[in-house]
Amino acid sequence: QKEVEQNSGPLSVPEGAIASLNCTYSDRGSQSFFWYRQYSGKSPELIMFIYSNGDKEDGRFTAQLNKASQYVSLLIRDSQPSDSATYLCAVNAEAGSYQLTFGKGTKLSVIP
Amino acid sequence: EAQVTQNPRYLITVTGKKLTVTCSQNMNHEYMSWYRQDPGLGLRQIYYSMNVEVTDKGDVPEGYKVSRKEKRNFPLILESPSPNQTSLYFCASSSRTGREKLFFGSGTQLSVL
Repeated sequence: QKEVEQNSGPLSVPEGAIASLNCTYSDRGSQSFFWYRQYSGKSPELIMFIYSNGDKEDGRFTAQLNKASQYVSLLIRDSQPSDSATYLCAVNAEAGSYQLTFGKGTKLSVIP
Repeated sequence: EAQVTQNPRYLITVTGKKLTVTCSQNMNHEYMSWYRQDPGLGLRQIYYSMNVEVTDKGDVPEGYKVSRKEKRNFPLILESPSPNQTSLYFCASSSRTGREKLFFGSGTQLSVL
């Protein structure tokens, strides 16, 4: 059973701080890694994806992947109250696979 | 506008009364999937389809049926709903590569009394 683990939170950070969200996965063969943001009562939306070890930056968001440690993280710089949401880590198990396994999500609260 | 359309947005029904939740996408995606989301359990896959007439079970398929007769449509059928199927349901689609993002519908909040 492929597993994706996230700390459920809530994670509270002050406005302007860096929020760090973490995710571990069990399948060492996993190839693709995604971060989705979900506001309460809304559908998930993709904010970042990463395929290779290292960092990937997009605006205030940085995804970090360490396949050896089976660990992926999302950093949000200059956190804003509008970043308050649940962040879902999703892992695609193997090359060419459509199947995503989602973590249960980490709830982030950015305090003004 | 590229989108996944789910209907209805809210549904209240009674145990045993058959229902269908519709899902349609306008992006010519080959892959479509249904998820349910429950507090503390996250998003769990019910069924998925990799193309027309090709469907397969996800992690929690019991009590559900699907069909994929056309590429754009992927309805979810509950033949005899039970209270434990009360949940928030999402339809999603993606291109064939599997490395692209999932486009989600707006969700269907189902309550089975």
